Amino acid sequence: KQEVTQIPAALSVPEGENLVLNCSFTDSAIYNLQWFRQDPGKGLTSLLLIQSSQREQTSGRLNASLDKSSGRSTLYIAASQPGDSATYLCAVGGATNKLIFGTGTLLAVQP
Amino acid sequence: SQTIHQWPATLVQPVGSPLSLECTVEGTSNPNLYWYRQAAGRGLQLLFYSVGIGQISSEVPQNLSASRPQDRQFILSSKKLLLSDSGFYLCAWSVLRGRNSPLHFGNGTRLTVT
Repeated sequence: KQEVTQIPAALSVPEGENLVLNCSFTDSAIYNLQWFRQDPGKGLTSLLLIQSSQREQTSGRLNASLDKSSGRSTLYIAASQPGDSATYLCAVGGATNKLIFGTGTLLAVQP
Repeated sequence: SQTIHQWPATLVQPVGSPLSLECTVEGTSNPNLYWYRQAAGRGLQLLFYSVGIGQISSEVPQNLSASRPQDRQFILSSKKLLLSDSGFYLCAWSVLRGRNSPLHFGNGTRLTVT
C-alpha cells in the first residue's frame, strides 16, 4: 500500500529565504508526482507535475525534483515571500490518475 | 478555459439527515471526476472517481454514494449522515485517460454534522 510522508509538518522562515520541502513515498511504481498549494479553507491549486520519467520541473521560483528509485521528491522555493504562506501537499499518481496525498507542510513566511 | 464549481461552500446538517453535494465542470469534455475528503489533521482521502457517465468506483466503504448523471456533473450523496462524515469535501477533475494530467480542484464544501 502506497504511503506518502511530508517533512517537516510545519515550517516558519523569514522573507527572502530559500527553502526545501520534502516528500517521500514507499512504492516507486508511480506514474507521476504532483505538488499542490492549499490556502486556508480553500481547494488545492496544482503547482507542478513531474512525470515518472522526468527528474525535475520548474515554474517561476519553484523547482520540484523526483528521485523515483529512492522514493523522494523535493520542492524548492527560491526567495520566499509572505504570499507563499500556505500548506503544500505532494501526491503520487497511479492508474486513472488516482492520487495518494501526504498530510502536507504548513509554511509561514514572516515579513 | 476550464472551470470547476462546487456548492454549497458550507453546510451544517444534523445527524441522520440526507446530503447532496454537487460539482460541475465547464470547458472540457469527458473528464475524469473525483471526490476527496479532507478531515482535520489528516490528508486527503479519495472517496469516488468516475471515468464516464454512470461509471463510479468507490475507494472507501462508507455510507456515502456518488453519481454522474451527466458528463460534467458529479454528485455526492448520503441518505443518513453520521458525525464522522464531517469534513472538507473536494471535487476534482483531470483529462480522461490522462495519467500525467494535473488534477484541478474546486473550492470545496465544509460539512459539519451536528
